[in-house]
Amino acid sequence: QSALTHPRSVSGSPGQSVTISCTGTSSDVGVYNYVSWYQQHPGKAPRLMIFDVSKRPSGVPDRFSGSKSGNTASLTISGLQAEDEADYYCCSYAGSYTYVIFGGGTKLTVL
Amino acid sequence: QLQLLESGPGLVKPSETLSLTCTVSGGSFSSGSYYWGWIRQPPGKGLEWIGSMYYSGNTYYNPSLKSRVTLSVDTSKNQFSLNLNSVTATDTAVYYCARQPGASSSGWYFDYWGQGTLVTVSS
Repeated sequence: QSALTHPRSVSGSPGQSVTISCTGTSSDVGVYNYVSWYQQHPGKAPRLMIFDVSKRPSGVPDRFSGSKSGNTASLTISGLQAEDEADYYCCSYAGSYTYVIFGGGTKLTVL
Repeated sequence: QLQLLESGPGLVKPSETLSLTCTVSGGSFSSGSYYWGWIRQPPGKGLEWIGSMYYSGNTYYNPSLKSRVTLSVDTSKNQFSLNLNSVTATDTAVYYCARQPGASSSGWYFDYWGQGTLVTVSS
């Protein structure tokens, strides 16, 4: 099964909002509400930001929100801050054979 | 605070077996519904799930790696391990261990991660 599809890069200025998309198929994102998002700074481990499409773990700012429409999930970051500059990966449950797949990642640049 | 720490050789020769261990501290390893997983990231590339296991031994594998992967657990040491055999240069990656809340469809995400360890496959 192919990886989920992200834009390679997105950018925004401090204070603005950006949305990162993640496109899958009717076998993963489209059929399951089990999409998660991870933030990864250079040289660091990924950090869980969103699970179950739109739930935030404790400690994640409410500037981060998730949603889904059809085969595409989205991560929206509002009130951009410099520390939000990182790579972002989506991940989806994909059924009882593939189990879980990741996207290729999107590099967010804060201008 | 739950902590995970990967350990193992940083260099493996082609055709040999890559072996890594993840030590879990600061929390329960062998209770509840948590699974323990391995994810890797080739240099400059994205994340790839390798496999996950429960402390009792129940395992799930990425179908593309299943023929080469074995996961095991040592509950007395709060450790779980990854063996990947017949490695090639394409297995060069940072390998992460992580906690997974469960193996029902709603539990397939990773909420705690180790720092990662780089394994290079080269002669």
